[in-house]
Amino acid sequence: IAGITQAPTSQILAAGRRMTLRCTQDMRHNAMYWYRQDLGLGLRLIHYSNTAGTTGKGEVPDGYSVSRANTDDFPLTLASAVPSQTSVYFCASSDKGRGYTFGSGTRLTVV
Amino acid sequence: GQSLEQPSEVTAVEGAIVQINCTYQTSGFYGLSWYQQHDGGAPTFLSYNALDGLEETGRFSSFLSRSDSYGYLLLQELQMKDSASYFCAVRGPFYGQNFVFGPGTRLSVLP
Repeated sequence: IAGITQAPTSQILAAGRRMTLRCTQDMRHNAMYWYRQDLGLGLRLIHYSNTAGTTGKGEVPDGYSVSRANTDDFPLTLASAVPSQTSVYFCASSDKGRGYTFGSGTRLTVV
Repeated sequence: GQSLEQPSEVTAVEGAIVQINCTYQTSGFYGLSWYQQHDGGAPTFLSYNALDGLEETGRFSSFLSRSDSYGYLLLQELQMKDSASYFCAVRGPFYGQNFVFGPGTRLSVLP
């Protein structure tokens, strides 16, 4: 089934630990994104990649890093997790910029 | 920064028509999108407006007025399955021309 695969589905992480959230798409979309969703705040853009080999900072990039080595993969890394990074993380992709396809999300709890 | 406003909650009865408003203040504007998200699920794309006017897709319609920095999503013949959160999102010359989302409107459809 074409779409976006995120892993893990959920994770409990100790503060200070490093964590990489994985995101893979099989639609050959040029652009990919990471959003975090917190109650009452909607979805906030963390980082984006408009094409393989390039990345950019979104609204809330601090504490996160990304890479885009190829078209399909767009991992998000938390170098040293803090409790404020407890959230639901969604990866998304798009081709023509009109509408995004979202993955099913990763629920991360930092304790 | 960019800001979007939506009502936090809307309630309507089955079979009725409901309008969810979105106002935005952004440094430039390319288009307005709407997404639906059921509890525990991923956002799914509903519509995109780049020009003023009404776009219709089945029971859902989306309207844009660029001069008023305003748009709305119109849901007709409401069904119980329409109970979900609805997000507007604006694209402009910021964050790599990618979307910034509003805080979301929770729609409850009553029998």
